[in-house]
Formats: sequence, C-alpha cells, structure tokens
Amino acid sequence: NAGVTQTPKFRVLKTGQSMTLLCAQDMNHEYMYWYRQDPGMGLRLIHYSVGEGTTAKGEVPDGYNVSRLKKQNFLLGLESAAPSQTSVYFCASRETGRDLGQFFGPGTRLTVL
Amino acid sequence: GQQVMQIPQYQHVQEGEDFTTYCNSSTTLSNIQWYKQRPGGHPVFLIQLVKSGEVKKQKRLTFQFGEAKKNSSLHITATQTTDVGTYFCAGPRETSGSRLTFGEGTQLTVNP
Repeated sequence: NAGVTQTPKFRVLKTGQSMTLLCAQDMNHEYMYWYRQDPGMGLRLIHYSVGEGTTAKGEVPDGYNVSRLKKQNFLLGLESAAPSQTSVYFCASRETGRDLGQFFGPGTRLTVL
Repeated sequence: GQQVMQIPQYQHVQEGEDFTTYCNSSTTLSNIQWYKQRPGGHPVFLIQLVKSGEVKKQKRLTFQFGEAKKNSSLHITATQTTDVGTYFCAGPRETSGSRLTFGEGTQLTVNP
C-alpha cells in the first residue's frame, strides 16, 4: 500500500496562474482533507470531504476549490494563485469509526511569485 | 470559536533530558490526538486519548488527558536525537467531529 500520495511535490507559480494538486489514497478511506501549513501557524484546514461526491469548507477556503469525483482522489485547485498562497499543502485521509487518526501525505511545497 | 493552544512553542534540550509539551482547549473535547512531524516531513499520528484522566504510554512517551477533558500533555523521558520534530495536539471541532482543530505545535530540538 502506498498510503496517501500527493503530486506534485514542488511547484512554482506566477501570480494569476492556476494549478491542481492531486491527492490519492489506497486505503479506502471515506474522509479526506486538505491543509495548509505556514510557519508558526500549525495546520489549517482548507476543505474536506466525508465521502465520494461530497465537499465542505474548512477554516481557510477562500481562493481554493476541491472535487472528490472518485473515493480515492481529492483534488485541490487554485484558480488564480496569489503570493499569500505560498505554503506547504498536506492532504490527509481517515477511516470512519476507528481511533487511528489521520494519515497524511508527504506534502506539496508551493511558491507563488 | 474553538481554540487549541500549545506551550511551549519551542523547546531545546540536551540529549537525555526530559521534555513536556502541554495542550489546552477552550472547550471540552471528546478526544485528543497527538501527531509528530519530523523536520521536512509530514505529520504522523501517534495516539488518541478518549477517557477523562486517561494515561497511555509508548516506550519513553507518556500521554495524559485531563480530568476535565480540556487539556493534555505529552512527556518524553530521556530524550534522544530521534525525538527531534514538532509535536501537535488536535481535538475534534464542536460543530463537526469529522474535523480537527490543531494546536500550533511544540518544536523540539535535541542537542547531542
């Protein structure tokens, strides 16, 4: 099992460009999450999904969109990147009803110039 | 809104010294989770505590959940260089148990 994978690992964008981050998990987890991590600010939830075809807003959703067309994939889109979106993005997944916490992917380091 | 706070933000210790990080929630939690993130890595789930006053051990790590279920602590005995990283606590949000509120973390460095 690969667990949670994220692509790409690194990306540099210019202001105004768009991109999609892909998260995939092979553990058949229902719940998936997108976080951003900035120095000194811990992990902040952007969007999340409680099952295929569902999405919901987290703490900092502005400027991002998500889709969960397949259970194993959770996509995070930036329509018009801004320097304030420079961050490390983590995807995570979780099984329902188990005390196993969230499984995190390796992260995507995004820089917006 | 719900807040989860951790202290200290940074801790530097000599190898062999003990280390403790504290987590405090503004609201009562149904459970508390702890994660470790190595430098340059991703958060890794360590443990979940559910019961009031619960204490769990993992080798040199001892986790406690307060009686009021609003605070928790992680204690490492005789730190090693492999303990270096940032330790996060997290609790489920009041309005949606499927979401977690993370503390800002305690960054531990261990001098050999």
